[in-house]
Formats: sequence, C-alpha cells, structure tokens
Amino acid sequence: AQSVTQLDSHVSVSEGTPVLLRCNYSSSYSPSLFWYVQHPNKGLQLLLKYTSAATLVKGINGFEAEFKKSETSFHLTKPSAHMSDAAEYFCVVTLNAGKSTFGDGTTLTVKP
Amino acid sequence: DVKVTQSSRYLVKRTGEKVFLECVQDMDHENMFWYRQDPGLGLRLIYFSYDVKMKEKGDIPEGYSVSREKKERFSLILESASTNQTSMYLCASTTSAGGGTSNQPQHFGDGTRLSIL
Repeated sequence: AQSVTQLDSHVSVSEGTPVLLRCNYSSSYSPSLFWYVQHPNKGLQLLLKYTSAATLVKGINGFEAEFKKSETSFHLTKPSAHMSDAAEYFCVVTLNAGKSTFGDGTTLTVKP
Repeated sequence: DVKVTQSSRYLVKRTGEKVFLECVQDMDHENMFWYRQDPGLGLRLIYFSYDVKMKEKGDIPEGYSVSREKKERFSLILESASTNQTSMYLCASTTSAGGGTSNQPQHFGDGTRLSIL
C-alpha cells in the first residue's frame, strides 16, 4: 500500500522569498517520487523525479527536492519565488504500472 | 516534444447521455491513463491501459468504461452521464522503456472540463 500526504493545502509567499512545499509518503517498497505543477486550465507538468539515485533532485525552474527515507519525506523547495510559480503542486508516489498515488495538492500563491 | 491531446477542453452534456472523451498521444507510449480531478481530492485514477485492447480498473471505475483500439488513442466513456460526474478529466501516458513504468513520468493532456446538467 502507498499513500501521500501534502501537509499544506495552501502556501503563500512573497516574491523573492524561499518556497517550501511539504510532502510525506508511505510505501511498502522503495517508491519513485515525483513533483508536478499545474497552472490554471492546464494539465500537469513534471517538475522533478526521484528514482533511487541521488537523494537531492534538481528540477526545472529552479526547484529541487530532497528524499529523506528516515523521515519518509520529499519536500519541494525553491530559493526565490517568482510570480510565475503561482500554481498548484502535486506530490506523487509510484510503485508500478498504473499505481500512482497523488497528493491532494498544494496551492502556491506568490505576492508581489 | 511529447504531446497528449484531449479532443475537447470544455463539454456540456445532459444526464443520461452517453459521453465520449478522446485522448491521443504521439509518443508511442504503451501505457495510458484516465483520471478525474476534483477540488481538494487530487487526481483519482479511473482506468488505465498498458497495451492495445487491454484495460485495468483504477480506484473509481463505476459509471465509466474505456476503449483502446489503437496504441495512440484511449477513450473514456460515460455510459449514462450523471451530475456527480461533473469534473475535470485528465488523460496521461507513459512509456514502459527503462525496465518499467514506476520511474517514468506521466505526460498529461490539458484536460476536459465536463459539466453534466
């Protein structure tokens, strides 16, 4: 069994300040973990993925995430928020074909 | 670049109608998925297919069926639409290359916002 918990449904930051979106997971086996971003009226776009290589994963648009097995976490960070980062973010855990579990999403608001 | 195309962005239908949502991918992917997305509930898997003419139930298959006659096309069918099927529907695909789908990202279409009146 697997599950994903995104700890914040809404996060608000000021432009130029750091972003932290939190994700905890549970899985019986070593999972693959993903972060996706969804802008309004669009599909989901891959930000980054962890697949048991380096625990610190770098993605697009300056985002990165660190896999911490001991804490079962995969938090998404960015050093400096930009207005264009305002969107909904999904943490996803995948064990095998067809068995992806999505978190409920975190809406990121960026204030000027 | 990878492309998943959903035939309609917005669709309005009436209760009891049979509704078809179409999805086409141009990446020669083996695996295709249909999700519905509702506020606060994330994405929930309706059906997926890992090969032509193959299908597997996801977490919420009731009231839906699917068809995959060609590798690039995956159709979602609402047999008799009901108001509780009003939602955003997302199609996705992924490859089986590299030893499995668990480490392959899914590629999504832009979604179909379906309203059932």
